[in-house]
Parts: sequence; C-alpha cells; structure tokens
Amino acid sequence: EVLLVESGGGLVKPGGSLRLSCAASGFIFSDYTMSWVRQAPGKGLEWVSSVSSGGGYMFYAESVRGRFTISRDSAKKLLYLQMNSLRAEDTAVYHCARIGEVTFDSWGQGTLVTVSS
Amino acid sequence: NFMLTQPHSVSASPGKTVTISCTPSSGSIANNYVQWYQQRPGSAPTTVIYEDKQRPSGVPDRFSGSIDSSSNSASLTISGLKTEDEADYYCQSYDDSAYWVFGGGTKLTVL
Repeated sequence: EVLLVESGGGLVKPGGSLRLSCAASGFIFSDYTMSWVRQAPGKGLEWVSSVSSGGGYMFYAESVRGRFTISRDSAKKLLYLQMNSLRAEDTAVYHCARIGEVTFDSWGQGTLVTVSS
Repeated sequence: NFMLTQPHSVSASPGKTVTISCTPSSGSIANNYVQWYQQRPGSAPTTVIYEDKQRPSGVPDRFSGSIDSSSNSASLTISGLKTEDEADYYCQSYDDSAYWVFGGGTKLTVL
C-alpha cells in the first residue's frame, strides 16, 4: 500500500522558515516524480512544487519561486520542502503527492502550516 | 496567469445526473489532458478521471469525463447520484510551461 506521511508543519512568524518532510513507503520512491500541493483554509488546491524522480529537476509555482526549495533523499525515501521568507498567504495544509503517469495518484493527509505573528 | 474556471457549486437529488464544467482562461482545452479529483471533507483528494475520460480502477462507471471543443471546456458527469458523491471536485491541467494547474473547485451537494 502506498503511504505518504507529512510532518514538520506548525506556527511560524512572517519572515520565518520551516522545513516539511514527507515519508514515503509502499512503492519504489526513486521511480516517481514527487510534489507538494497546498490548500489554504476553506480554499482550493494549489500546486506548489515538484521534483523529478532522479532529483535533478525542480519546478516551482510562481508564488513560491525563490523562497521555497524542494529536495528528496531517495535512500531514506523522504521528500522535503524548505520554506523561507514565509508570508501569511502561505498558510495552508501542505500535501505530499506522487505523480503517476499523468495524475497525482497518491496523496498524504497533509501538515498544517500557519504563518502568523 | 493561466486559470481553470469551475462553477463554485452544483446540487442535485439522489439518482439524478450532474455535470461540472472546467474552462481554461486561454488556449484550447484539447491541448492538454484534464484530470478530475474528488475531495471529501477531511480527506485527501483522489483521482476520479485522468487523461480527459479515463477512469482509475475502483471508480464506478457513474463517473465520466469529456472534452467539448465547441465550448472549449472539460466536463465531469456523475450519473445516478449517491449521497456519498457529496464532495469537492477539482479539475487539473497544465499551463504553457507544463506546470500543473488546478481549477478553483466545485462543491457538489446531493440534496
């Protein structure tokens, strides 16, 4: 069974930093592109960032480019999201998601990030 | 910025059929595949349609997807509505940079 478990969320002040982690199990982690998708309270889904299966290619939404960094450790089956210069509008539940051939085919339950003074 | 527009909400009675549309802000809907996700309250999203009209295993055939070039929109149709279908539904496609874009979501109420 594919399992994705996020951690690292919490309350942080504007301008602060946070690192999210996603532990993967139940599949060959190094075979898949992995992503972060966020959902602000009461709002819709927003793609944030993706990293290729080998880790050599990273992609970012314009709203986070230059502030967030995605990375992966395939030996440990971990996906990361380093978030710097956080803003109130970054407040959301952050989901880790696996990209299958086309679709986001597996999702974690998410970790809540709250940016507030 | 490329956007996908969905109706904010739709509703129908059990046993009826409902259709949710997804319209791109620019370009042809046929240029890129469209996926549809269901998100029940408190749960992570799951795929109900991929590549415009394909159903993942385990998704009932009451769910169908289509593309209409004349209206330049994608549609998710759910027939024989059940109360368990009540959820938020999101379409997803790609922008000119091939980055992933989600629609704003549609809340389906089964009355």
